Amino acid sequence: EAGVAQSPRYKIIEKRQSVAFWCNPISGHATLYWYQQILGQGPKLLIQFQNNGVVDDSQLPKDRFSAERLKGVDSTLKIQPAKLEDSAVYLCASSPLGRTANTEAFFGQGTRLTVV
Amino acid sequence: SQKIEQNSEALNIQEGKTATLTCNYTNYSPAYLQWYRQDPGRGPVFLLLIRENEKEKRKERLKVTFDTTLKQSLFHITASQPADSATYLCAIDSGGYQKVTFGTGTKLQVIP
Repeated sequence: EAGVAQSPRYKIIEKRQSVAFWCNPISGHATLYWYQQILGQGPKLLIQFQNNGVVDDSQLPKDRFSAERLKGVDSTLKIQPAKLEDSAVYLCASSPLGRTANTEAFFGQGTRLTVV
Repeated sequence: SQKIEQNSEALNIQEGKTATLTCNYTNYSPAYLQWYRQDPGRGPVFLLLIRENEKEKRKERLKVTFDTTLKQSLFHITASQPADSATYLCAIDSGGYQKVTFGTGTKLQVIP
């Protein structure tokens, strides 16, 4: 079974520029998550999709971050404009079920973003 | 306010010993508690899940306990090996459509 695919692996941009990350979850997984992990911290949920719909985006800085999940499969996360404090690893994860038992998440390798 | 606390200092133990990692939480009502392993430059990998009505869960050399009275979960690795060296994250799942929240993780170093 193929895992969660993310690209790019690394990205360096200047502040105020825009950037986009792509995620392809495990086939058939209904739930998709985007997490932000700052160095030395645990992953912080930015947005959670259940199929096409957004379940939780309470911690997404909506003035600069946006995300979409096309046809309930792939997803993109965009930052525009980027700030220095956005430097982090952006992790995509998916899980097979909705919010039921056994809610383990399968993570991709992440995209390391550096804003200079 | 809600908090998930894991020991921020690295845990160094000798190979063959049992490693015990702690996860304490405040102002959560977890339905499940999950443990993940994260290696440098990689995403977290799921290890174990324990439900609120379970006291203990085992998987090979891993054991997790969950005490909802103490608001604490302990994660044990028996007969530890250098390959167990990684950061271990606990995550609280309050069930329903509530988000899963991760602790900051504890770095484990197993010394040969």
